[in-house]
Amino acid sequence: DVKVTQSSRYLVKRTGEKVFLECVQDMDHENMFWYRQDPGLGLRLIYFSYDVKMKEKGDIPEGYSVSREKKERFSLILESASTNQTSMYLCASTVVGTGRNEQYFGPGTRLTVT
Amino acid sequence: GEDVEQSLFLSVREGDSSVINCTYTDSSSTYLYWYKQEPGAGLQLLTYIFSNMDMKQDQRLTVLLNKKDKHLSLRIADTQTGDSAIYFCAEKGTYKYIFGTGTRLKVLA
Repeated sequence: DVKVTQSSRYLVKRTGEKVFLECVQDMDHENMFWYRQDPGLGLRLIYFSYDVKMKEKGDIPEGYSVSREKKERFSLILESASTNQTSMYLCASTVVGTGRNEQYFGPGTRLTVT
Repeated sequence: GEDVEQSLFLSVREGDSSVINCTYTDSSSTYLYWYKQEPGAGLQLLTYIFSNMDMKQDQRLTVLLNKKDKHLSLRIADTQTGDSAIYFCAEKGTYKYIFGTGTRLKVLA
């Protein structure tokens, strides 16, 4: 069974802290993605990676960075957390190719910044 | 630009059919997807349709695709309380997946 795991389900951090969100997939997928989900806004892409050490900005990269040192792991970093980064963060992965290529999602991390 | 739109809420009675609608803008999308998100969980693929198809049926689910109007719909027959969730339509762009805002389906007993 395919699996995407995220390091925490719930996280509470203070303004200004550096925050690490980890995502691991066991499907040998090339592509990995970080989204944030906010009510009424759907999923917005923060960053994605199509290979180890490769990254591309999504639609809302400001205030975030990412790291992909191993194929199975994609980390999202909030350099200095702010209250407007309180959100649900979802990680996803997918294979490369011309087929169906649906995304597989982790359970999400609900981050609260106080 | 790429954009996917959905209505935010839908309420139906148990046993009725639900129809969730979606409009998209990228006519080059090869696949269109419907994902389901249950409370406190990530998204799971519910069904999908290839862009050269008009309709796809999968048990209680029927997907209709109108490429001319760039309109996608998901019909759930005999809606059950377990179908209460947020439903997202999504299209696959060149590198990215574009998701709609999500439709929260509430099933009344």
